[in-house]
Amino acid sequence: QVLLAQSGVEMTKPGASVRVSCKASGYTFVSYAVIWVRQAPGQGLEWMGWISPYNGDTIYAQKMQGRVSLTADKLTGSAFMDLRNLTSDDTGVYYCARKDYGSGSPVDYWGQGTLVTVFS
Amino acid sequence: SYVLTQPPSLAVAPGKTATIICGGNDIGSQRVHWYQQKAGQAPVLVISYDSDRPSGIPDRISGSKSGNTATLTISRVEAGDEADYYCQVWDLDSEHYVFGTGTKVTVL
Repeated sequence: QVLLAQSGVEMTKPGASVRVSCKASGYTFVSYAVIWVRQAPGQGLEWMGWISPYNGDTIYAQKMQGRVSLTADKLTGSAFMDLRNLTSDDTGVYYCARKDYGSGSPVDYWGQGTLVTVFS
Repeated sequence: SYVLTQPPSLAVAPGKTATIICGGNDIGSQRVHWYQQKAGQAPVLVISYDSDRPSGIPDRISGSKSGNTATLTISRVEAGDEADYYCQVWDLDSEHYVFGTGTKVTVL
């Protein structure tokens, strides 16, 4: 079955960087895009960007431009989200998820989420 | 940027119908998807392409669209339907995913 397994809890300080990984299984990794969504405590879903594991193309949310980098490793079937210059506003749960390459297609599978806490 | 607006909350008695609306400019031309998120869990797709139900989603849950509003309807509401619900579209102009503001459904 399709599974997106994310890395564990991260606790870090303001100004630091964090990397969250997402290992895909149960499907052909390069045949679907990987999107990243985050959720601050008690808040809604916020799209961060997406990556094509097939050719590495990325699109980032305007708000995240310059601070986030999405990468994918075809050999291991893993996607990565790097977020730099963290502030307390970046505290929340980060999800990776899968969608097909159609521009208006939905997300059909989600990872379990990774809690990132930024504290001084 | 494109905005999808939902009512923040909705309370409904068991057995009744919950109607969740999602408003956006020219949403009639968009493909709308709906997600259910229970407390402490990842979201789950419940309606795709305005009104399609993925496998495993009960037929009590349905979607529709008219004018500038998309609607998620949950019939014969059960305690297990208590969750946050989000609409979502792909904004072609900005090439950005857009999620609605979310609606918290409470079962009385």
